[in-house]
Amino acid sequence: DADVTQTPRNRITKTGKRIMLECSQTKGHDRMYWYRQDPGLGLQLIYYSFDVKDINKGEISDGYSVSRQAQAKFSLSLESAIPNQTALYFCATSKGQGDNEQFFGPGTRLTVL
Amino acid sequence: AQSVTQLGSHVSVSEGALVLLRCNYSSSVPPYLFWYVQYPNQGLQLLLKYTSAATLVKGINGFEAEFKKSETSFHLTKPSAHMSDAAEYFCAVRGTGRRALTFGSGTRLQVQP
Repeated sequence: DADVTQTPRNRITKTGKRIMLECSQTKGHDRMYWYRQDPGLGLQLIYYSFDVKDINKGEISDGYSVSRQAQAKFSLSLESAIPNQTALYFCATSKGQGDNEQFFGPGTRLTVL
Repeated sequence: AQSVTQLGSHVSVSEGALVLLRCNYSSSVPPYLFWYVQYPNQGLQLLLKYTSAATLVKGINGFEAEFKKSETSFHLTKPSAHMSDAAEYFCAVRGTGRRALTFGSGTRLQVQP
């Protein structure tokens, strides 16, 4: 069974629509992250959460919002999707201590038309 | 602030040849460093990590990396490439304080038969 799951795996939507991407983990980790991957740019941090009440903006948070519903769940929302948000989105988790090794979900491929 | 530079967005080697993927970092504190691999249509998987113990780190699938403080480098090597090594490789550095990892832009490795 996967430790970090993301739903949906693929999504096509239209400009202006509201979209929610969901992430769940069974690793018992406190920290959760959302990244965006674009070709040639690596991974860019959108938001991160160190516990349910501790949510922080990353490098590219504009146009995105998040919700940490429980220790195991962290959702990413695009309130009004635009074409340049077309990308591969990854959720990751890590322990609250140590080297901060991150464990990644399989990704969600989002296309905004 | 920390940063990572991966030299070469694409590297092509012949099967059986040496693999060398370059990573240089910038960090104001002693870093934790990571190499992740991404196979097509999959999430990121940890190859190896440096956490201030031995400077030569061995990872999965025959990969290893050497931490060189004087050169601020953490290059990834494998003595003999296999076709199955074809993937994208990301170097990452742990951020200072509470921050998440900072990733390089990635290097796509092609292995020619």
